[in-house]
Amino acid sequence: AQSVTQPDIHITVSEGASLELRCNYSYGATPYLFWYVQSPGQGLQLLLKYFSGDTLVQGIKGFEAEFKRSQSSFNLRKPSVHWSDAAEYFCAVGPTVTGGFKTIFGAGTRLFVKA
Amino acid sequence: EPEVTQTPSHQVTQMGQEVILRCVPISNHLYFYWYRQILGQKVEFLVSFYNNEISEKSEIFDDQFSVERPDGSNFTLKIRSTKLEDSAMYFCATAKGAGQGYNEQFFGPGTRLTVL
Repeated sequence: AQSVTQPDIHITVSEGASLELRCNYSYGATPYLFWYVQSPGQGLQLLLKYFSGDTLVQGIKGFEAEFKRSQSSFNLRKPSVHWSDAAEYFCAVGPTVTGGFKTIFGAGTRLFVKA
Repeated sequence: EPEVTQTPSHQVTQMGQEVILRCVPISNHLYFYWYRQILGQKVEFLVSFYNNEISEKSEIFDDQFSVERPDGSNFTLKIRSTKLEDSAMYFCATAKGAGQGYNEQFFGPGTRLTVL
């Protein structure tokens, strides 16, 4: 069965510092991978997605993610964090025909940004 | 850019009451989904719907829940007799298709349901 693991429940970084949020997935074939951001009380905003092709994908707000098949990872990165990036970040996998039609979300990583 | 819309944005109800959450999909999308997020927890799949029938549902989606597309445009989630534990944010999502390149799900802004 598909699953998504985000090992870090929360992360604190200083404004201007670099950021990497970890995501590992479990799936037999190449999955469809997503990163979403959610501010408190708000909906889900898609940051970026990976379907196939170039393993380094660029997203909105200066985020990028790299798909590494050998490590079953899809880590999210940003070179310089801004205070407005403080939010909850969700990695997700799916949907795929063989894995069902649903999107499976990780538990999320809450990002705190300190001045 | 077309968006998925949901109404209401916030619904407060008494325990035991029926609620209907509404979603307007993107116009050429054929696959519809409901997800739930209890406060502070991850987003969980509830149900998928295609061709006027449920294609997949989770263990959360019990007999108290139902979905339908009553008028060909709205996609609704009904909870017959709400419980306190139904309090959550409910997200609708829609997709153009199920094959590669068509199955990306677009999420609505959510309806926050509070059961008192």
